[in-house]
Amino acid sequence: EPEVTQTPSHQVTQMGQEVILRCVPISNHLYFYWYRQILGQKVEFLVSFYNNEISEKSEIFDDQFSVERPDGSNFTLKIRSTKLEDSAMYFCASTGQRMNTEAFFGQGTRLTVV
Amino acid sequence: AQSVTQLGSHVSVSEGALVLLRCNYSSSVPPYLFWYVQYPNQGLQLLLKYTTGATLVKGINGFEAEFKKSETSFHLTKPSAHMSDAAEYFCAVSLFSAGANNLFFGTGTRLTVIP
Repeated sequence: EPEVTQTPSHQVTQMGQEVILRCVPISNHLYFYWYRQILGQKVEFLVSFYNNEISEKSEIFDDQFSVERPDGSNFTLKIRSTKLEDSAMYFCASTGQRMNTEAFFGQGTRLTVV
Repeated sequence: AQSVTQLGSHVSVSEGALVLLRCNYSSSVPPYLFWYVQYPNQGLQLLLKYTTGATLVKGINGFEAEFKKSETSFHLTKPSAHMSDAAEYFCAVSLFSAGANNLFFGTGTRLTVIP
């Protein structure tokens, strides 16, 4: 069964460092998303991406964040200068040929900023 | 604005007992409603969703949920719990689509099944 794959499963980084979280969506999917969940809090929408550009983003997704689909298979989330409050579980998701189809989520990357 | 409230961060049931996980939402327009499940070390998996039409929605693994507009609720039920149902369950709402765009999630309910 096709699945969304995220690497690494856990990343520890020092405050102020740049971090890149990687996702491989399902191969024929066209819509891509990042969500995050701070420990003990809700899963929050960050950004959606389609046709090589951001289609929607939340207030959380400020200038410190960027997304990219560099090679047609990977979908990355970059945080330029990490803060302690960026520590969270980050989930990648993708949907198929239309936005309204079922979303498939990855298993998440736990980011710890120290 | 939309929001989701899940009552009970932890629910324990005996194997074979009824599972009831509560979800209430607020929304300015008719929403799309979802239940996702997360098993340990896995991603979020869609259990079921309500878009339009029949208010009782059946999902995978014997779960179902009923959209009650008057109560702004979308509670998840399963007649008989199985050990494999132990997981974290998330209710979510979207105003825009039945996919994954701009979903608002609840805080989740951890279901424990007691043998």
